[in-house]
Amino acid sequence: AQSVSQHNHHVILSEAASLELGCNYSYGGTVNLFWYVQYPGQHLQLLLKYFSGDPLVKGIKGFEAEFIKSKFSFNLRKPSVQWSDTAEYFCAVNAGDSSYKLIFGSGTRLLVRP
Amino acid sequence: DTAVSQTPKYLVTQMGNDKSIKCEQNLGHDTMYWYKQDSKKFLKIMFSYNNKELIINETVPNRFSPKSPDKAHLNLHINSLELGDSAVYFCASSHVGGNSEAFFGQGTRLTVV
Repeated sequence: AQSVSQHNHHVILSEAASLELGCNYSYGGTVNLFWYVQYPGQHLQLLLKYFSGDPLVKGIKGFEAEFIKSKFSFNLRKPSVQWSDTAEYFCAVNAGDSSYKLIFGSGTRLLVRP
Repeated sequence: DTAVSQTPKYLVTQMGNDKSIKCEQNLGHDTMYWYKQDSKKFLKIMFSYNNKELIINETVPNRFSPKSPDKAHLNLHINSLELGDSAVYFCASSHVGGNSEAFFGQGTRLTVV
C-alpha cells in the first residue's frame, strides 16, 4: 500500500530563513507527487506537482521541490520565507496513470515569525 | 465563481441525527472525492467517484452514504451521527488521470455534540 511520510510536524522560522520540508513515499511504481498548502481556515491549494520530466519543479510563491527517485523523496524548498507562508503543508502521492486515490502525508505546520 | 463549492460551511448537530453535505463543481471534471480531516489535520480519503460511479470506498462505516446524481455533484449523507464523526469534510474534484490536480472545496466543519 502507498504511504507518505512527512518528518517535520512543526517548523518555526524567522522571516527570510530558508525552508526545506521533507517528504518520503513508499511505492515502487510510477508516481505522481504533489505539495498542497492550507492557509489558516482555508481549503487546500496546489503549490506544485511532479509527474515526469525535470525532477526539479517550480511552483507558485517561490516554492520548488525536487524528486529524487532513488530516495523516494519529494522535498519542498523555499530560499526565503515570508510571514504570509504560515500555513499547513501537505505532501501527497498517487500511483500510475489512472489513480483515483490521492494519499496525503500527515502535514507540516509552518509558523513564520516576523 | 467558486470552482468546488460545499454547503454548509459549518454544521453543529446532536448525536444520532442524520445530516447531509452537498458538493458541486463547475470545472467539468469527471472525478469527485470526499476527504475527512481530523483534529490533527490528517487528511484521509473516504470516497472517490468517476462519472457518477463509485470507484473507491476506503472502509468507511456504512452510516456514510455518498450520492452522485450527476458528475458535477457528489453529496454525502451521514446517518446516526457519532461524536467521532466530528471533523472537517472536504470535497474535491479532478480530471481523470493520476497527474491531474485535485481542486478542493472550502470544507464543512461538522461538530457532533
